[in-house]
Amino acid sequence: EDKVVQSPLSLVVHEGDTVTLNCSYEVTNFRSLLWYKQEKKAPTFLFMLTSSGIEKKSGRLSSILDKKELFSILNITATQTGDSAIYLCAVTSGAGSYQLTFGKGTKLSVIP
Amino acid sequence: IAGITQAPTSQILAAGRRMTLRCTQDMRHNAMYWYRQDLGLGLRLIHYSNTAGTTGKGEVPDGYSVSRANTDDFPLTLASAVPSQTSVYFCASRDTSKTGELFFGEGSRLTVL
Repeated sequence: EDKVVQSPLSLVVHEGDTVTLNCSYEVTNFRSLLWYKQEKKAPTFLFMLTSSGIEKKSGRLSSILDKKELFSILNITATQTGDSAIYLCAVTSGAGSYQLTFGKGTKLSVIP
Repeated sequence: IAGITQAPTSQILAAGRRMTLRCTQDMRHNAMYWYRQDLGLGLRLIHYSNTAGTTGKGEVPDGYSVSRANTDDFPLTLASAVPSQTSVYFCASRDTSKTGELFFGEGSRLTVL
């Protein structure tokens, strides 16, 4: 059974701090790993990672994948209150890339 | 605007009633999914469809059924709702030939009393 584990489950930081969110996985026939941000409603896409060691970056957010150790990290630098959200990690697997397995998410709260 | 539309956005339902959550996408994505999201449990897959005419069971399929008569529509039916089906339901789609991202609808909040 495919498994995705995120840590920590929740985190409270002050504005300006840097945070690192973790996602480890055990899946059969790994295809890609995706990060999403969920505020009030639907999750919104952040990154998709398929290759080890290649950092994806968007503003203050960055992510990297380690396919040997089976994990990914999402970094947020100089956090702002608008970064408060649930961050979801998902892994696609299987021959047809049809199946996605989500972790339980990390709830990040950024306080002024 | 292209995307996924879910309806209703919110519904309160008596236990034992039948309910269909609607989902329509206009991106011509082949794969569609229904997830439920519950506090502490994350997003759990209920049913999925790889292409029109086919469906499959996810992690928590009991009490739910789906159909995929065409590419665009993927309704989720609760034949006889129970309180444990109180949840937020998300429909999603993706184009698996591009190993692309998963697009989500805005969610349907269902309360079963």
